[in-house]
Amino acid sequence: GQQVMQIPQYQHVQEGEDFTTYCNSSTTLSNIQWYKQRPGGHPVFLIQLVKSGEVKKQKRLTFQFGEAKKNSSLHITATQTTDVGTYFCAGPGSSNTGKLIFGQGTTLQVKP
Amino acid sequence: GAVVSQHPSWVICKSGTSVKIECRSLDFQATTMFWYRQFPKQSLMLMATSNEGSKATYEQGVEKDKFLINHASLTLSTLTVTSAHPEDSSFYICSAPPRTGHSPLHFGNGTRLTVT
Repeated sequence: GQQVMQIPQYQHVQEGEDFTTYCNSSTTLSNIQWYKQRPGGHPVFLIQLVKSGEVKKQKRLTFQFGEAKKNSSLHITATQTTDVGTYFCAGPGSSNTGKLIFGQGTTLQVKP
Repeated sequence: GAVVSQHPSWVICKSGTSVKIECRSLDFQATTMFWYRQFPKQSLMLMATSNEGSKATYEQGVEKDKFLINHASLTLSTLTVTSAHPEDSSFYICSAPPRTGHSPLHFGNGTRLTVT
């Protein structure tokens, strides 16, 4: 079945260092979404990418969607302690009902 | 923006009892709602899709007789965990697209279920 794979599972960085998480889908996606989940919280929508090769920025966060629309990345420049949490990518399920298939998530720890 | 309210936030119940979790869309009508389950340090796994006015669609491996889903109105979906067991302890999260079939999803705050 459709799979969304995400690496790494965990990342520990020193505050100020950069961080990147990678997402790969087994199928071509119409769009890809990124969510952030703080410890004990629920996922919060960050961004949606739709176009092949699309790059979007939100302050220190840069999101990319691959040319083949099967992979994506999230890059954080100069991490801060507020960036701590688990970052999930998610792609639409094959049935086009609106459901999402989530990657395994990358948990980011930032040491001050 | 679109808001989804989920209740309760946490619940502790004894093994063998049933627990009902409510999910409401507060400022929009949701003909579809999604129920996810998240075990500690794991990803969100879709359990089922509730559809207003019709039966829920369950994902492979999810027992529909154990996880009863009802989408009673355009703003309310409920998940009942029947005859709960300790292995059902998890974080259950509902979500809904602001408009039918459109993303992104807006999530409820989640319900942390502990079965003793």
